Amino acid sequence: DADVTQTPRNRITKTGKRIMLECSQTKGHDRMYWYRQDPGLGLRLIYYSFDVKDINKGEISDGYSVSRQAQAKFSLSLESAIPNQTALYFCATSGTLGSPLHFGNGTRLTVT
Amino acid sequence: AQSVAQPEDQVNVAEGNPLTVKCTYSVSGNPYLFWYVQYPNRGLQFLLKYITGDNLVKGSYGFEAEFNKSQTSFHLKKPSALVSDSALYFCAVRDKDRTYKYIFGTGTRLKVLA
Repeated sequence: DADVTQTPRNRITKTGKRIMLECSQTKGHDRMYWYRQDPGLGLRLIYYSFDVKDINKGEISDGYSVSRQAQAKFSLSLESAIPNQTALYFCATSGTLGSPLHFGNGTRLTVT
Repeated sequence: AQSVAQPEDQVNVAEGNPLTVKCTYSVSGNPYLFWYVQYPNRGLQFLLKYITGDNLVKGSYGFEAEFNKSQTSFHLKKPSALVSDSALYFCAVRDKDRTYKYIFGTGTRLKVLA
């Protein structure tokens, strides 16, 4: 079983709809992240959370919100989807200082 | 501000030849540096990291990277490329302040030709 699980794997939605992407982890890590990947732009940080009560905006948080329901669960919401939010979204976790990120397999989101 | 640059969008190399994927960084203080690989329809997978110590770091699948502080570089290398190494490679630097943020380069697509 994957350590970091993202659902759904693919999603097509219409402009203006609210959608939620979910992430759960079995690694026991406190730190969780949501990234967005666009061709030629690499990965950009949307939100990150150090524990259930600590949530922080990343570099491109506008139009997104998050919820850390438990240590193992971190969901990303698009309140009113727009076409330029079409991208590949990744959830990741990390452990102690110096440890690498562990990624889920991503959610490919298309907004029409 | 912390930043990472991968100057090549794509690198082509013949199977069996050595490969290098370049990365330069800009950080204040000592960096934590990472390389990740992404295969199609998959998340990024950790390859190797530099925290401190030897400048030559060995990682998964025969990859290694050389940390060069004077040139602020952390190039990924492999002595003999395989077709299966074809993928998208990302360099990342760890932000050293309290935020624990990781900053990624834009990625380099490696194509190993049979």
